Amino acid sequence: DAKTTQPPSMDCAEGRAANLPCNHSTISGNEYVYWYRQIHSQGPQYIIHGLKNNETNEMASLIITEDRKSSTLILPHATLRDTAVYYCIVRPPAFNTGTASKLTFGTGTRLQVML
Amino acid sequence: DVKVTQSSRYLVKRTGEKVFLECVQDMDHENMFWYRQDPGLGLRLIYFSYDVKMKEKGDIPEGYSVSREKKERFSLILESASTNQTSMYLCASSFWASGSSYEQYFGPGTRLTVT
Repeated sequence: DAKTTQPPSMDCAEGRAANLPCNHSTISGNEYVYWYRQIHSQGPQYIIHGLKNNETNEMASLIITEDRKSSTLILPHATLRDTAVYYCIVRPPAFNTGTASKLTFGTGTRLQVML
Repeated sequence: DVKVTQSSRYLVKRTGEKVFLECVQDMDHENMFWYRQDPGLGLRLIYFSYDVKMKEKGDIPEGYSVSREKKERFSLILESASTNQTSMYLCASSFWASGSSYEQYFGPGTRLTVT
């Protein structure tokens, strides 16, 4: 699986957009980009994923560059409840049950949303 | 909403005890996973299961075994608990379809302390 690089920490003012970058320069053509977050003392929570096109859901937007070597997760109006560690993960789809859907979590970006 | 539940949030066991961690999901997911999370090491996959009675080793299976007798339930077993198994244990589940990519849903975690 391709490796990802994220800044260790970021701050964001409440109500402003939080833009979290991720580099994945060795990504392969069939690998998806996933974002998860983990709020303190809870299990990771799925946010969004994409392959080539930009994606948006009720939580966030995912912008993937045309060469797919990097992406940005955007929380449009950050709140204090968005304070968490955000993980960017790339992995291929599983074509048989043996290889399955393993996720490799790095150390992520610790986002602190401030008043 | 997908729900993944784990039998305990906190557990304290003694060295040498046999420990069972239970995980139940209510979305008829094929895949189920056990991870452990330690500071500075991120999440590491212990075992996963892609069907009833089917299992595969993850990255750190030593000292652990698993059981999946029913589709909705996946158990992690520490045959003889040791202090280096003190950790946060996270269960997850996901759909599977060949060539597709599905997100994993995580439980709240069990913080196990072995004394």
